[in-house]
Amino acid sequence: EADIYQTPRYLVIGTGKKITLECSQTMGHDKMYWYQQDPGMELHLIHYSYGVNSTEKGDLSSESTVSRIRTEHFPLTLESARPSHTSQYLCATKRPGAGDEQFFGPGTRLTVL
Amino acid sequence: GENVEQHPSTLSVQEGDSAVIKCTYSDSASNYFPWYKQELGKRPQLIIDIRSNVGEKKDQRIAVTLNKTAKHFSLHITETQPEDSAVYFCAALKAAGNKLTFGGGTRVLVKP
Repeated sequence: EADIYQTPRYLVIGTGKKITLECSQTMGHDKMYWYQQDPGMELHLIHYSYGVNSTEKGDLSSESTVSRIRTEHFPLTLESARPSHTSQYLCATKRPGAGDEQFFGPGTRLTVL
Repeated sequence: GENVEQHPSTLSVQEGDSAVIKCTYSDSASNYFPWYKQELGKRPQLIIDIRSNVGEKKDQRIAVTLNKTAKHFSLHITETQPEDSAVYFCAALKAAGNKLTFGGGTRVLVKP
């Protein structure tokens, strides 16, 4: 079944560590997105991609980086984690049509001590 | 850019009553307006959407209305049930756009 997969689902890590949050999809969608969300709160777009080798910064300034080498894969990297990065990170995909549904992954809950 | 305002931020209703959430948008070029429901600990999921060529859309107990002139759209939930308790997000997208602009969310609590 087509879906979006995020790993790890939960991560507790110390300040200063480098981390990569993985997002992979079998939806066959070109567009992919990363959102930061404190539980139940507003969704903040931090990065997005239109396709392979395309990456754009979102509306919320972020100290993270992304890459899109393969259509299915859109990893998010924090070079040096800080307590302010503690949040939930949601990956999403969207079909090419302008009015088509956007699908969300299950999220990664990150805690930086 | 687009700006979407959502009200109220929290809404408590008695089971069986109706709930209404309102959103306003700023960019008249927006033409697609989805609503997402996010249950506690779960991912947001699309529950209903409306395009700008339609004024109202209904799916069982939920309906969405759109007023293009006033640039606002609303979600209506009738005969609320405890399982309707969740955070609801409205969003807007421009024609040929690629980024949804989300409202700030409404936490709905349905009291039995």
